[in-house]
Formats: sequence, structure tokens, C-alpha cells
Amino acid sequence: EAGVTQFPSHSVIEKGQTVTLRCDPISGHDNLYWYRRVMGKEIKFLLHFVKESKQDESGMPNNRFLAERTGGTYSTLKVQPAELEDSGVYFCASSPIAGVHTDTQYFGPGTRLTVL
Amino acid sequence: DAKTTQPPSMDCAEGRAANLPCNHSTISGNEYVYWYRQIHSQGPQYIIHGLKNNETNEMASLIITEDRKSSTLILPHATLRDTAVYYCIVRVSSGSARQLTFGSGTQLTVLP
Repeated sequence: EAGVTQFPSHSVIEKGQTVTLRCDPISGHDNLYWYRRVMGKEIKFLLHFVKESKQDESGMPNNRFLAERTGGTYSTLKVQPAELEDSGVYFCASSPIAGVHTDTQYFGPGTRLTVL
Repeated sequence: DAKTTQPPSMDCAEGRAANLPCNHSTISGNEYVYWYRQIHSQGPQYIIHGLKNNETNEMASLIITEDRKSSTLILPHATLRDTAVYYCIVRVSSGSARQLTFGSGTQLTVLP
């Protein structure tokens, strides 16, 4: 079974540009989460999809961040325009909707974003 | 979710057991103890979780005290690849999935 995949693995952009990160969850997982770790800080939750619906977006830092999950499969996280403080590692995780492993989240390798 | 306290760092000799402690004195009766780890440059990885009984899987053992105010994650034979940040997370496990709240964790360094 393929794990959670994320693309790109690294992205270097200039301040003011736009970047789109992609996450492909494990097949059949209805829950999809975005987290990020900025330099020197703890991993922080951004938002949670259940299928194509946003269940919880309380961690989104501001309106420069837009997450979508059209069709309830893969998700994208767009940062527009990017700022220096957006630099960090963005993780995606998924979990099934039901079953004994509902609360076990499976993480992707992350996308390292550098804003210059 | 109850607050957890972990030592910032620990060392362990390769081949020996690594015992990682976690204090969660305000844990509620319906909260589980979860452990994840993050190996450098990788995403966090689920290890194990438990409610009140000790648990064991192919990766580790989880020992929860009788009063549930603390727990210990045990890696029975640590290898160099177990060097990682280990996170103890206390949360309700229900039918509805929700976010994980990561603290600063314990940096475990396995020494050759």
C-alpha cells in the first residue's frame, strides 16, 4: 500500500510569489490534515478535511493560505503571496474515516518551503 | 487535550533499551496516550497508543502507570535508526478524527 505522498519535496521561491503544495493521501482515507513546522518551532496543525469538506481550519495562519480537496482525493495548499515567515516544512497526513485506526495519522515526508 | 511533559533530550547506547518518560498528570479518563516520532527530514511516524493497559507492538512497548499520570515508551533494543524526536500526545480517541497537538518532544540520540 502506497503511503502519503507530497509534491514537491523542496520549493524555493521569492517573497511575493505563489506556491502550491500537493498531498496525495493513502487511498481510501477520508481524513486529510495539513501541518507545518516553521524554523525552531513545534509542529502545528493547519487544517483538516473530511472528504472534500473542511472540518477544521482553525490553524490556518491567515488568508494567504488556501487549501482545497476537490473530489475528496488529493489536496492542495496554496500560499499567495508567500512571505518570509512562511518558510518551513509542510506535512500532510491522512487517516481512515472509521475503524480501529481512526485516530492513527499517517504522515507524508513533507515539503520544505523556503521563501527568500 | 491534556498537557504532557517530556525531557528535552536523552541518550541511549545502541542495543540497549531506551526508556522515554512522559508526564500527563491532568489526563482525563477518556484520554489516550499516543506516541509518534520524527526521524530527521521525515514526516512524523505513529508508534503506539494506549488507554490504561500496557501495550506492545512490533516497534515498542508502552507502560502506563496505574494512576495514568505518567507513561514510558520502551524501545527494547535501540538502533542508530531510532535516533529521532519522540512525541507523547494525550488526546481523546473517539469516532471522529481530529488534529494532533505536538509539543517539543524528546530528542533521543542512540550512540554507537
